[in-house]
Amino acid sequence: DGGITQSPKYLFRKEGQNVTLSCEQNLNHDAMYWYRQDPGQGLRLIYYSQIVNDFQKGDIAEGYSVSREKKESFPLTVTSAQKNPTAFYLCASSVKALNSPLHFGNGTRLTVT
Amino acid sequence: GESVGLHLPTLSVQEGDNSIINCAYSNSASDYFIWYKQESGKGPQFIIDIRSNMDKRQGQRVTVLLNKTVKHLSLQIAATQPGDSAVYFCAELSKGDYKLSFGAGTTVTVRA
Repeated sequence: DGGITQSPKYLFRKEGQNVTLSCEQNLNHDAMYWYRQDPGQGLRLIYYSQIVNDFQKGDIAEGYSVSREKKESFPLTVTSAQKNPTAFYLCASSVKALNSPLHFGNGTRLTVT
Repeated sequence: GESVGLHLPTLSVQEGDNSIINCAYSNSASDYFIWYKQESGKGPQFIIDIRSNMDKRQGQRVTVLLNKTVKHLSLQIAATQPGDSAVYFCAELSKGDYKLSFGAGTTVTVRA
């Protein structure tokens, strides 16, 4: 089955530690995205990548970093500089074409204490 | 600034009735619109999309209406079922852009 896999589903970290969230897709999509979702709010774009070895900041990139070394993988690192890291993180992908929908993974819930 | 938003944060519907979920957008350059359904603990799931050169599109039990004059989008669900209980998001894409902007979502609860 083609799809997007995010792991782990739940992640717990102590404040001050960096943590990396995994996102893998086997849909052969060129574009990949990371969104953050907080309770009762819509999705906010953190980073996106339209092609391997290239990525752009979204609306809330501060405190986050990404890499896109392979087409199928787009890991997100939540650094200690992110002031409010506890959230639900969603990875998505799409074909690199205008007017194409995003396909989402089932998210990673990160709790930082 | 530009924004995408839904009119009501919650909607309670009797099983079997039709549901209407509304969304307003402010970006005149919005070219493409999508409705997503999100169940608890899961990622958003694509329901239906519509391009700005259309004003209506139908899927299985769902219809999306687009009124560009007043910048309004709606999702109609026919014969609402318990499995339709979820949070529904509208999202829009500006012409020439690759970044979707999402509204805050409407929580739909289906009463038996």
